[in-house]
Amino acid sequence: AQSVAQPEDQVNVAEGNPLTVKCTYSVSGNPYLFWYVQYPNRGLQFLLKYITGDNLVKGSYGFEAEFNKSQTSFHLKKPSALVSDSALYFCAVRERVTGGGNKLTFGTGTQLKVEL
Amino acid sequence: GAGVSQTPSNKVTEKGKYVELRCDPISGHTALYWYRQSLGQGPEFLIYFQGTGAADDSGLPNDRFFAVRPEGSVSTLKIQRTERGDSAVYLCASSLTYRGNTGELFFGEGSRLTVL
Repeated sequence: AQSVAQPEDQVNVAEGNPLTVKCTYSVSGNPYLFWYVQYPNRGLQFLLKYITGDNLVKGSYGFEAEFNKSQTSFHLKKPSALVSDSALYFCAVRERVTGGGNKLTFGTGTQLKVEL
Repeated sequence: GAGVSQTPSNKVTEKGKYVELRCDPISGHTALYWYRQSLGQGPEFLIYFQGTGAADDSGLPNDRFFAVRPEGSVSTLKIQRTERGDSAVYLCASSLTYRGNTGELFFGEGSRLTVL
């Protein structure tokens, strides 16, 4: 079975500092990896995805993620954090299902807190 | 509508009652997914529809849970004889389905179910 792990329940960072939210994965075959963000009382929002190609993927709101096949990791990064980045972040891996659909398996989430 | 719409946003019910949760996907999205998110956990897959049919219902926890999508658009998740353990946020997502679709799902804001 495919899975992702987010080892940190919470990450604290000062505004203006770089941030990293960690994710490791376990899949059979080539991984399709995603990051989603969840703001309070809001639905999950897509940030970025890795399918193939460059290991550094750029996404919304200045976020990027680095795919590392040897370490089976897909860490989310941002060079300079903002207080407004404070939210719950989920890593996910795709599993192809019958009919052409895409079933995502999510990690347990990492709460990012950016402080002034 | 512009996004995935879920109703009700909040539902409080008593143990043993029947509950229906509704999802209106993005217009034109043929794939529809239900997920359940318990406190402190990532979303867990319940069921996936391709058009009117349930292509994968492997995530439904037991036969008290059932979902329909009779016209290939709006879907209803039905829970019979609710239990306190059913309390969670039920998320709906939709996506296009086409060859080469890489898996981005669009989520609604969820229906928070509380079983007393």
